[in-house]
Amino acid sequence: SQQGEEDPQALSIQEGENATMNCSYKTSINNLQWYRQNSGRGLVHLILIRSNEREKHSGRLRVTLDTSKKSSSLLITASRAADTASYFCATDANNAGNMLTFGGGTRLMVKP
Amino acid sequence: DTEVTQTPKHLVMGMTNKKSLKCEQHMGHRAMYWYKQKAKKPPELMFVYSYEKLSINESVPSRFSPECPNSSLLNLHLHALQPEDSALYLCASSHPFRFDGTGRYGTNEKLFFGSGTQLSVL
Repeated sequence: SQQGEEDPQALSIQEGENATMNCSYKTSINNLQWYRQNSGRGLVHLILIRSNEREKHSGRLRVTLDTSKKSSSLLITASRAADTASYFCATDANNAGNMLTFGGGTRLMVKP
Repeated sequence: DTEVTQTPKHLVMGMTNKKSLKCEQHMGHRAMYWYKQKAKKPPELMFVYSYEKLSINESVPSRFSPECPNSSLLNLHLHALQPEDSALYLCASSHPFRFDGTGRYGTNEKLFFGSGTQLSVL
């Protein structure tokens, strides 16, 4: 079953612009992760934010988490053509053990 | 070495064939996973091994048979597949999830994914 829902499903921007993707989830979580996937390839971990954190930065990435609204956002600043990929949020529901569930994903296209 | 290696990269098989997908990691991770991903969809969890024991089976049909022969290897044996089983099969590994000291399951760990096996069932 899908825990997270992401929007938009697809996003097209120009190089240099910022890209914002949102993720909503249904049950309480321990933490939330964001992954990136280039077409037909494996996923690459970008950032993990714990349920007691509100904001986290990593390079050009900024992630926020609002547990009261059960939502998270991923901001990519100063986007590059190489950022073109699908981005997934992933959550572990409390007491779900090793079960990480992925949202539907946002397909980002950055035009040069 | 922070790689998860999957072989083969591509596989075409008939519905009566038996084949195996292989996954290997040398990061000392004691949790390994199989995910199935259809085009433009998120990965869906199939199996989780923790300390070489099957801990999660997400109601996967018996034509998919996982095996974890040791802490570095994970196999997925395929038999009598259907065309709808065509997908990208992803292997991943991580440190096992553990209690965070407050009685709650977590602290979550990030997953390291292989590049996947693109499977086509004819």
